[in-house]
Amino acid sequence: DAEITQSPRHKITETGRQVTLACHQTWNHNNMFWYRQDLGHGLRLIHYSYGVQDTNKGEVSDGYSVSRSNTEDLPLTLESAASSQTSVYFCASSAPGGNGEQYFGPGTRLTVT
Amino acid sequence: GDSVTQMEGPVTLSEEAFLTINCTYTATGYPSLFWYVQYPGEGLQLLLKATKADDKGSNKGFEATYRKETTSFHLEKGSVQVSDSAVYFCALRGSGGYQKVTFGTGTKLQVIP
Repeated sequence: DAEITQSPRHKITETGRQVTLACHQTWNHNNMFWYRQDLGHGLRLIHYSYGVQDTNKGEVSDGYSVSRSNTEDLPLTLESAASSQTSVYFCASSAPGGNGEQYFGPGTRLTVT
Repeated sequence: GDSVTQMEGPVTLSEEAFLTINCTYTATGYPSLFWYVQYPGEGLQLLLKATKADDKGSNKGFEATYRKETTSFHLEKGSVQVSDSAVYFCALRGSGGYQKVTFGTGTKLQVIP
């Protein structure tokens, strides 16, 4: 069965370190998204991609970057982790031309100390 | 821009009670509307959807009707179970052809036996 996976599921890092969160999907979807989930804010879009070599900023992109070298993967990098980036991160994908239904990964809980 | 407003939680109900979670939206044109559910420790999963006015989405006993005139998409269930305890997110995808989805802040439902 097709799926979307994230790794690691839990990560503790120190302020100032670079961190990369992995996202891999086997749906063969062109569209991929990264969100962060914080109490009181719901899900906020960090970055998204509509295909290989395409990346776009979302509403909370400062301090984050992504790259898309193939269809299956969209890694999220925190260039210099800050305590404000402690959150749960979700990756999602969707099919092109569809009604927008997104398929979510299980999430990564990141703690920046 | 697009926005989704849903009722604040948490909502606590006894088993077999009637559930309503209100959701209203702001968007131009005719967006697609969704309800997602998030069980503890998991990613979001699609519960139901509606893509045009007056459509009714339904799944697992949950229903929501796309009301263009009131810009609403309220979630209802006639008899909740303990297993329905989760966080529910209302969401929309705008009609501009892009694939981004805007989420509400989520409503936590707790069903007690």
